[in-house]
Amino acid sequence: QKEVEQNSGPLSVPEGAIASLNCTYSDRGSQSFFWYRQYSGKSPELIMFIYSNGDKEDGRFTAQLNKASQYVSLLIRDSQPSDSATYLCAVNEGGKLIFGQGTELSVKP
Amino acid sequence: DTGVSQDPRHKITKRGQNVTFRCDPISEHNRLYWYRQTLGQGPEFLTYFQNEAQLEKSRLLSDRFSAERPKGSFSTLEIQRTEQGDSAMYLCASTPGSTTWAFFGQGTRLTVV
Repeated sequence: QKEVEQNSGPLSVPEGAIASLNCTYSDRGSQSFFWYRQYSGKSPELIMFIYSNGDKEDGRFTAQLNKASQYVSLLIRDSQPSDSATYLCAVNEGGKLIFGQGTELSVKP
Repeated sequence: DTGVSQDPRHKITKRGQNVTFRCDPISEHNRLYWYRQTLGQGPEFLTYFQNEAQLEKSRLLSDRFSAERPKGSFSTLEIQRTEQGDSAMYLCASTPGSTTWAFFGQGTRLTVV
């Protein structure tokens, strides 16, 4: 089992819809979780982090964490074509970030 | 520019040659990470430093790979006797602490021909 798993997609949603991205992790001791966005040919950029169970909202983005289920998700409301990118889930394990393989999101106008 | 800086941005080398990449982290970030990313995959952890100390090296990293951070500032990643399978994007990231998020550089794209 991979340490951090994501559906590779592609996930296609129409403009204005909610995009839901999911991630599971294997290390129960992990305490901090991150979502990065990566445009094609570019490096990852941080969009959200979450440390506590529950929801954390930042503009159109909501991160959700359920440590009991070892599950992290990212919701993007009112999706825009500019949101089309690969979304990487990362988990802090022992001081280093372990990434999932990423989910490619395509927002269709 | 106060972000993470990597040099060169692109490198094409012949199989068997040695290559060295440089990373300058954000000033005062004491942790520095190296990752490798291939097409369609997430960044794969290679190694990281706390100041000048190399704290962990991925077991997937062969002996051909070595990294240094001699004065706790910039870091170098060297690959000896490159192979075609080494072709990838090499990413450097830095962070001010052990639990906070990492900021990435633009990456060095290596192509081994």
